[in-house]
Amino acid sequence: GQQLNQSPQSMFIQEGEDVSMNCTSSSIFNTWLWYKQDPGEGPVLLIALYKAGELTSNGRLTAQFGITRKDSFLNISASIPSDVGIYFCAGPFKLYSGGGADGLTFGKGTHLIIQP
Amino acid sequence: ETGVTQTPRHLVMGMTNKKSLKCEQHLGHNAMYWYKQSAKKPLELMFVYNFKEQTENNSVPSRFSPECPNSSHLFLHLHTLQPEDSALYLCASSQDILAKNIQYFGAGTRLSVL
Repeated sequence: GQQLNQSPQSMFIQEGEDVSMNCTSSSIFNTWLWYKQDPGEGPVLLIALYKAGELTSNGRLTAQFGITRKDSFLNISASIPSDVGIYFCAGPFKLYSGGGADGLTFGKGTHLIIQP
Repeated sequence: ETGVTQTPRHLVMGMTNKKSLKCEQHLGHNAMYWYKQSAKKPLELMFVYNFKEQTENNSVPSRFSPECPNSSHLFLHLHTLQPEDSALYLCASSQDILAKNIQYFGAGTRLSVL
């Protein structure tokens, strides 16, 4: 199946620092999505990318769709305590070959921890 | 509030029990999904319904049985589960199944099988 590899697995940072994480795949994706999950909640969409090379921002978050279409990056500037959580990359996933995308495949996530 | 509501939020059941998870979306979407989230594993797509039609997934054990009576409601019926089925079960919805349609997730049901 389509596997997404996220790195790093965990990040321990100080408040105010910038954060970078990435996601790679052995397959080409036409869409990259970045979600954040807080404890006890479901994933919430942060940024959606639809075009190779695209750079999109959402407040302090910036994500890029890699030129090769096999990777994507998420950056967070000037981190604050509420940025703590798990960040997932995701892309379209077919339950069977043929037809349009049926669902999403996810990476294992990057745990962001902010040290006081 | 994402517009996708899941109940119950927590469920403890024995291996011989039968229970059901419920999902309701208030977004006017036509596609709904069940995902399983286990510790240290990526979210796994279990079932997809588009306009109430299910996309088959033969990789999910038959002890999990989905039902989609209309485009706003989705159920996951559970029967004779195993302890390894303990996980967070997430429901999601989207406008349809096309790649550019964003999926919105509920808060999940935390299931423990004893």
